[in-house]
Amino acid sequence: QSALTQPASVSGSPGQSITISCTGASSDVGRYNLVSWYQQHPGKAPKPLIFEVSNRPSGVSNRFSGSKSGNTASLTISGLQAEDEADYYCSSYINNRSLVIFGGGTKLTVL
Amino acid sequence: EVQLVESGGGLVNPGGSLRLSCVASGFTFSSYNINWVRQAPGKGLEWVSSMSSDSSSINYADSVKGRFTSSRDNAKNSLYLQMNSLRAEDTAVYYCARVLERHPNFDYWGQGTLVTVSS
Repeated sequence: QSALTQPASVSGSPGQSITISCTGASSDVGRYNLVSWYQQHPGKAPKPLIFEVSNRPSGVSNRFSGSKSGNTASLTISGLQAEDEADYYCSSYINNRSLVIFGGGTKLTVL
Repeated sequence: EVQLVESGGGLVNPGGSLRLSCVASGFTFSSYNINWVRQAPGKGLEWVSSMSSDSSSINYADSVKGRFTSSRDNAKNSLYLQMNSLRAEDTAVYYCARVLERHPNFDYWGQGTLVTVSS
């Protein structure tokens, strides 16, 4: 199973909004509302941002939002801040054998 | 405070073995599915294995199936990953992560332990 497809990099200026896409297949992203998003700063463990397409875990800023259309999930970050500069990963449930697949990651640069 | 702490990483020769540990605190360990996720240097995240709360269900990525074995001791709040027949491509930081209700809701992660496979 190939990784979910994410853009290698995106960029935006402080205060702007950006969207990161995560494209899978009808057998994973398109089939289940089980897509999560994670933020990872260099040398740190991933931090959860979104569960089940659009649910924010407790403590996550409402500047982060998630959505899905067909086989593509999206993470939108509004009001970009310098500390948002990080790598972002999507993940999806696949099936009851292989369970989880991750995207290749997207590096966000805040200009 | 929920904490997951990995240990056991290090340098090992190709073909060698290593056992990782993940010790949990701050929550009822026996109630949660815990997974291993790895990240090769400069690369993305890769799911490795999943173990249900009562050890009744264990899943592995195809890339490690037959070489890695996951186990847990709920009395010790610990999860283990026995890694055999290690290859250079297994070089990575290995994280343990707690599952919140269903995959892939990884709500807490450890800090990771680095495994380097090299001669």
